Amino acid sequence: GQNIDQPTEMTATEGAIVQINCTYQTSGFNGLFWYQQHAGEAPTFLSYNVLDGLEEKGRFSSFLSRSKGYSYLLLKELQMKDSASYLCAVNTNAGKSTFGDGTTLTVKP
Amino acid sequence: GAVVSQHPSWVICKSGTSVKIECRSLDFQATTMFWYRQFPKQSLMLMATSNEGSKATYEQGVEKDKFLINHASLTLSTLTVTSAHPEDSSFYICSARDIGLSKGVPYEQYFGPGTRLTVT
Repeated sequence: GQNIDQPTEMTATEGAIVQINCTYQTSGFNGLFWYQQHAGEAPTFLSYNVLDGLEEKGRFSSFLSRSKGYSYLLLKELQMKDSASYLCAVNTNAGKSTFGDGTTLTVKP
Repeated sequence: GAVVSQHPSWVICKSGTSVKIECRSLDFQATTMFWYRQFPKQSLMLMATSNEGSKATYEQGVEKDKFLINHASLTLSTLTVTSAHPEDSSFYICSARDIGLSKGVPYEQYFGPGTRLTVT
């Protein structure tokens, strides 16, 4: 089976930087996704890591360490619109993704 | 590109009736579509994997006779909730994977906007 852990809630201030961690245990690892989901809406793709290291995309960066079963999503220059749920999802060789429970981020002025 | 639509966006039905939800990939072909269910403040739970032209593969604990999935073409999959009960009330989300793996991120799923089902 697979086990994915991420914090339930986080709060940060507008303009600040926040790091959302995700740890996982899985067999047949084949990539890790981060998605953003606003309440009542479908998830939207943020990033994908399959090799170790940091992937940067504008204000969002994602890091992966396969040996540690660890990833984080880094959000810089936080904006109010970044308040959302952030989902870590692990893809396996079977081609399916298993989602973590999500981290609800609240950005305060 | 890579747009997925769902219809209806919300539906209210009476207990015991059946509801059909459509998932369409609008500008790409999808050999594989996934159906998820999401309860409030919980994550997406995969219900089944739908492959075009073959039977769907259901996750453990999901009743295949209750949640009927049909993937008749490369752009359309349907989920029918049969004999719906109030506990089936949830947010149902489909996603589709582009047949052309060379495009975009490998194994990336494109999500539909979701269907909110309320069973009274």
